[in-house]
Amino acid sequence: GAGVSQSPSNKVTEKGKDVELRCDPISGHTALYWYRQSLGQGLEFLIYFQGNSAPDKSGLPSDRFSAERTGGSVSTLTIQRTQQEDSAVYLCASSPIAGVNEQYFGPGTRLTVT
Amino acid sequence: EDQVTQSPEALRLQEGESSSLNCSYTVSGLRGLFWYRQDPGKGPEFLFTLYSAGEEKEKERLKATLTKKESFLHITAPKPEDSATYLCAALDYGGSQGNLIFGKGTKLSVKP
Repeated sequence: GAGVSQSPSNKVTEKGKDVELRCDPISGHTALYWYRQSLGQGLEFLIYFQGNSAPDKSGLPSDRFSAERTGGSVSTLTIQRTQQEDSAVYLCASSPIAGVNEQYFGPGTRLTVT
Repeated sequence: EDQVTQSPEALRLQEGESSSLNCSYTVSGLRGLFWYRQDPGKGPEFLFTLYSAGEEKEKERLKATLTKKESFLHITAPKPEDSATYLCAALDYGGSQGNLIFGKGTKLSVKP
């Protein structure tokens, strides 16, 4: 079946502009996660959604970052007033339920802030 | 502080030369230990989940093992197509249900 998809695959933006990154999880998966992978760094957890529960936002680095998940499916990660340090690959993952089940990752969106 | 450390950072092997990658973790209570493979420009691909010390799982030339403090990914007779970055991650009972703590990875290169 179809895996996790993300769009765009690449995004170049100017410092100070807002960007939206999209994630389509695997159909039927109730848990959705966002991570950030910077050059030379491990994956950094940002936020996760489980069903209709309030999202866990504990990994968001600042209030410029926000995410929503509509209808329990598609998710959008928004970064306002982008900074150069936001440049990274943003990865989305989904799993059947949150917790110990393996997370399936999308191909990522490479964000470059100039 | 919860932490996952992988070693070595990079490993070069000749085709057929077996070796092991190490993942040491410090978490208050391990709920699961995950191994992923990541190819350049792609998202991580799930390989294994281990839940308790002594557990082992195998897939083709890969075998993952788990102790109370670390996990090993053994690669037997590797081929060039095994070249990738291997990531280890821990899920902690005390943390967020989604908060996989990742190591920085081991970049494996297998030369023919």
